[in-house]
Amino acid sequence: AIWMTQSPSLLSASTGDRVTINCRVSQDISTYLAWFRQKPGKAPELLIYAASTLDVAVPSRFSGSGSGTDFTLTVSSLQSEDFATYYCQQYYSFPWTFGQGTKVEF
Amino acid sequence: EVQVVESGGGLVQPGGSLRLSCAASGFTFSSYLMSWVRQAPGKGLEWVASIEEDGNQKHYLDSVKGRFTISRDNTRNSLYLQMNSLRAEDTAVYHCVRDFDFWGQGARVTVSS
Repeated sequence: AIWMTQSPSLLSASTGDRVTINCRVSQDISTYLAWFRQKPGKAPELLIYAASTLDVAVPSRFSGSGSGTDFTLTVSSLQSEDFATYYCQQYYSFPWTFGQGTKVEF
Repeated sequence: EVQVVESGGGLVQPGGSLRLSCAASGFTFSSYLMSWVRQAPGKGLEWVASIEEDGNQKHYLDSVKGRFTISRDNTRNSLYLQMNSLRAEDTAVYHCVRDFDFWGQGARVTVSS
């Protein structure tokens, strides 16, 4: 299986901050990577797919980059609804695998 | 409006069985790969199984192979997960997922005596 390592696991930030979350993958997955945001008690929401393509209606403060084994999610100006947990996921091959999550807290 | 709504969760004893259902609406169900992804209490996301659009190809997490069966009925716009020989470590919220882009709120499964 393809291993996913996210960093950091916990990120302390304030409203308006620029934050970056990293995802390292155990083998080359080209750009078959997605990012999700999960608010407490809610289902995950797709933010980005194909490493850098914003899903419909996702605010432009979110951006993704990377290819191969190293990927980044950036939030340019953190809003209140962005205090949540973020996951990366590879869909290059089955079994699909997720990073362990990054909790962004105030 | 795209919707996927899970049902069938509950409390079951170890070794027991449960069948989850997912009712889809607002999109052409037969055109999408569908999946189940679970989240144990306080833990991260774990992919469980996927089924291709026509139902002919299925993929499973190693730890559920031989115990879980994913299926779909494109005439009823429904996805299913038959779970047998349940273990305590299967306790989780199970989400029905369209491809990987739209998630249901989930069905809670608790395996405990």
